[in-house]
Amino acid sequence: DAGITQSPRHKVTETGTPVTLRCHQTENHRYMYWYRQDPGHGLRLIHYSYGVKDTDKGEVSDGYSVSRSKTEDFLLTLESATSSQTSVYFCAISESILDTQYFGPGTRLTVL
Amino acid sequence: KNQVEQSPQSLIILEGKNCTLQCNYTVSPFSNLRWYKQDTGRGPVSLTIMTFSENTKSNGRYTATLDADTKQSSLHITASQLSDSASYICVVSKAAGNKLTFGGGTRVLVKP
Repeated sequence: DAGITQSPRHKVTETGTPVTLRCHQTENHRYMYWYRQDPGHGLRLIHYSYGVKDTDKGEVSDGYSVSRSKTEDFLLTLESATSSQTSVYFCAISESILDTQYFGPGTRLTVL
Repeated sequence: KNQVEQSPQSLIILEGKNCTLQCNYTVSPFSNLRWYKQDTGRGPVSLTIMTFSENTKSNGRYTATLDADTKQSSLHITASQLSDSASYICVVSKAAGNKLTFGGGTRVLVKP
């Protein structure tokens, strides 16, 4: 998985609670991304980062925030989890915006 | 609307046989097209990437073709193996901003 880890790998939480997912890379890639994958949908971009403290929204960013205080870490926070945020979340990295993205192993999140 | 449609949604083939997966897209302006393989419970892994000027690219037993005029791509798997059982995802990149649009994937099951 190209030096990308995600934690936790599985999480079950209750509606209304905050949740933070962590993506850690050892490749020193500039770009990092958070996607969600749901049945019937392709991967959809939530947020991405193009450098430390530089982030931008993707197509499904509502209800999510991100932070990148170090090159190697990209955090995804669900401020108040809802059942519609039950999904598998993937982190990805790339050297530049044009390069191939390498994906992490995913985090399965269930919101009850 | 920028879309990527894949067909079939799923298929079953016998070990040793060939198969072809289809990808049609409406993304414009076009930058590049990628095929990813996603094993169950894992993140996608890049197989090939093709730009506008390329019409075929191989990676071992995987051969991708691109017709940018008709906005169609195919992924051909030769002499399938049990390890080819996975979902195959077509991803089209839009020029200017390099926004990625993911197809819903084709799930391939190779039976002995």
